[in-house]
Amino acid sequence: AQSVTQPDIHITVSEGASLELRCNYSYGATPYLFWYVQSPGQGLQLLLKYFSGDTLVQGIKGFEAEFKRSQSSFNLRKPSVHWSDAAEYFCAVGGGGSYIPTFGRGTSLIVHP
Amino acid sequence: DTAVSQTPKYLVTQMGNDKSIKCEQNLGHDTMYWYKQDSKKFLKIMFSYNNKELIINETVPNRFSPKSPDKAHLNLHINSLELGDSAVYFCASSVDRGFDTQYFGPGTRLTVL
Repeated sequence: AQSVTQPDIHITVSEGASLELRCNYSYGATPYLFWYVQSPGQGLQLLLKYFSGDTLVQGIKGFEAEFKRSQSSFNLRKPSVHWSDAAEYFCAVGGGGSYIPTFGRGTSLIVHP
Repeated sequence: DTAVSQTPKYLVTQMGNDKSIKCEQNLGHDTMYWYKQDSKKFLKIMFSYNNKELIINETVPNRFSPKSPDKAHLNLHINSLELGDSAVYFCASSVDRGFDTQYFGPGTRLTVL
């Protein structure tokens, strides 16, 4: 069975600083990997996804993520955080017979001015 | 234009009551989903429909019954509400089954007193 771990419950950064949110997955084969963002009071929105090919994936809003098979990781990065990036971020993994992704517990991003 | 809409946005009710949440998507997608997000933000799939047919039914009490009158609508009816049903319920849709991008509605916050 697949699983996702987001080790950080909360991350606090200053506006303009760089950001890295961690995601580790467990899955036997090549996984499908996703990052979603949930702004307060809103539904989830897809930031980016990895299915195959280039391991560095570009997404919306200036985000990118890198798939590292050796570390079973898919960390999300942004070079300069904006106050509007404050939200909950979810990593998800999918694969095999079930095409419903398994979501991590989320990381709450707090941005200080 | 709202892509995935849910009504109501908030629902407060007493234990034992029966309630429904409605979901509509105007994206022309074939597949729709219901997720439950608990107080710790953990997101779990409940049901998935493809072209009005139930294709995923996770371990959910029989008190929960989804209904899809057409492929643009997926409603969730809950009988005999319990305290543990309090959560945020998200509807989502995707082009087809598979790891397509899922588009989420804004959520319905259900509070059972």
